Amino acid sequence: NAGVTQTPKFRILKIGQSMTLQCTQDMNHNYMYWYRQDPGMGLKLIYYSVGAGITDKGEVPNGYNVSRSTTEDFPLRLELAAPSQTSVYFCASSLTGINQPQHFGDGTRLSIL
Amino acid sequence: AQTVTQSQPEMSVQEAETVTLSCTYDTSESDYYLFWYKQPPSRQMILVIRQEAYKQQNATENRFSVNFQKAAKSFSLKISDSQLGDAAMYFCAFTSNTGNQFYFGTGTSLTVIP
Repeated sequence: NAGVTQTPKFRILKIGQSMTLQCTQDMNHNYMYWYRQDPGMGLKLIYYSVGAGITDKGEVPNGYNVSRSTTEDFPLRLELAAPSQTSVYFCASSLTGINQPQHFGDGTRLSIL
Repeated sequence: AQTVTQSQPEMSVQEAETVTLSCTYDTSESDYYLFWYKQPPSRQMILVIRQEAYKQQNATENRFSVNFQKAAKSFSLKISDSQLGDAAMYFCAFTSNTGNQFYFGTGTSLTVIP
C-alpha cells in the first residue's frame, strides 16, 4: 500500500536548470496538491488539482507549472530554477476535497546553487 | 486573506504529562475546517485531528483533543499522557468551505522529556 510516492528524494540543481518533481498516488484520490516548506516555516500551497485535466494556482505558484493527465500522477515542473526555490517539496492527495484529510508523500529536498 | 498563527515555536513536556499547543486564525468565513498535522523527524506529514467549524463538539482522537473556540478564533491541541513518539513539529492548518486554499501555521516543535 504505497500511498503517495515522490521522486526524487534529494536533488541539487544549478541556477537556470529545469526539472520535474514526480508524484503518484495509488488511492484513487481526486484531489492532489503541491506544497513547499521553507526552513522554520509551515507548508505553502503551490498548485492543486481537483481531477485529471484540471489544475489551479495556490498561494505561491510563480516559477512552477503542473499538469494532471491521469488521476494517479501530478508532476511539478520548475523552469529556470532560482535560489529562492530551494525548499522541501511535498505532494499530497485527498479523496474528495481540500477540506478532507490529506495524505502526504515523504517530500523532495531541492537545493539550487 | 486567511492567516494561521502559532505563537509557541517550541514546547516541552514530561513523558506521561499533558501539554497544550496554541493556534489562532483569522477569517471572515463562517464555514471552515481546522486541522492539526504532525511532522516527525522522518518529515512525513500525518493528520492528527480535524475539526469542522459548524460542529460545536470538540474533536477527539484517542489522547489528542482540541479546544475549539469559534468566537475567539482559537483552536488549541491537547495531548494527554504524552509519549516519546509524540515528539515532532505540530502544524495547525485552515481551509474554508468556499475557497480552495489551504493555510498552515509556522509550527510548534514539541520535545518529550523521558
